[in-house]
Amino acid sequence: ETGVTQSPTHLIKTRGQQVTLRCSSQSGHNTVSWYQQALGQGPQFIFQYYREEENGRGNFPPRFSGLQFPNYSSELNVNALELDDSALYLCASSDLFSESTDTQYFGPGTRLTVL
Amino acid sequence: DAKTTQPPSMDCAEGRAANLPCNHSTISGNEYVYWYRQIHSQGPQYIIHGLKNNETNEMASLIITEDRKSSTLILPHATLRDTAVYYCIVGYGGATNKLIFGTGTLLAVQP
Repeated sequence: ETGVTQSPTHLIKTRGQQVTLRCSSQSGHNTVSWYQQALGQGPQFIFQYYREEENGRGNFPPRFSGLQFPNYSSELNVNALELDDSALYLCASSDLFSESTDTQYFGPGTRLTVL
Repeated sequence: DAKTTQPPSMDCAEGRAANLPCNHSTISGNEYVYWYRQIHSQGPQYIIHGLKNNETNEMASLIITEDRKSSTLILPHATLRDTAVYYCIVGYGGATNKLIFGTGTLLAVQP
């Protein structure tokens, strides 16, 4: 059973650009959530996808958008990057139908720096 | 906002038990208490969760007070590898649970 993977590991962008981050869920997991973690803070919930539909969103503007694919992998897209978007972006997968349904498995994150 | 309050930092001697407290005085009757930890530069890792009863697994024990307004995570024999930020989270459970993290407790295990 493979774990959650994210790509790229690090990314540097300039203000105003667009970025796409990718997440491959743990095998068989049907739910993926994205979190933003600023330096020194706990992760903040961005949104969640279940069966390719958005299933809840945190307090983030529409320029943060996402996709979930039939194989349950996911993308996080951020348009019009701002300096405050610099953070560690984490994805977490979970399985609605497993015995460990309450457990979210996190990837290692993508470190985004906006200059 | 997070529904939990934790001390910002704690120290523990290697080999001793680490007891991490958490206050969640506004917890509702069907909300669970979850604990995750984040070792430096890694994603958070699930530790344990519970509703009313005390829970134990291979990593830790969770003690929830009878009124459910506070809980304690116990690492029975802390090692240097347990140095991490520990997050106590309250939520409704299930795979679609949206975790609301606070700032957690930085546990430093000392040799």
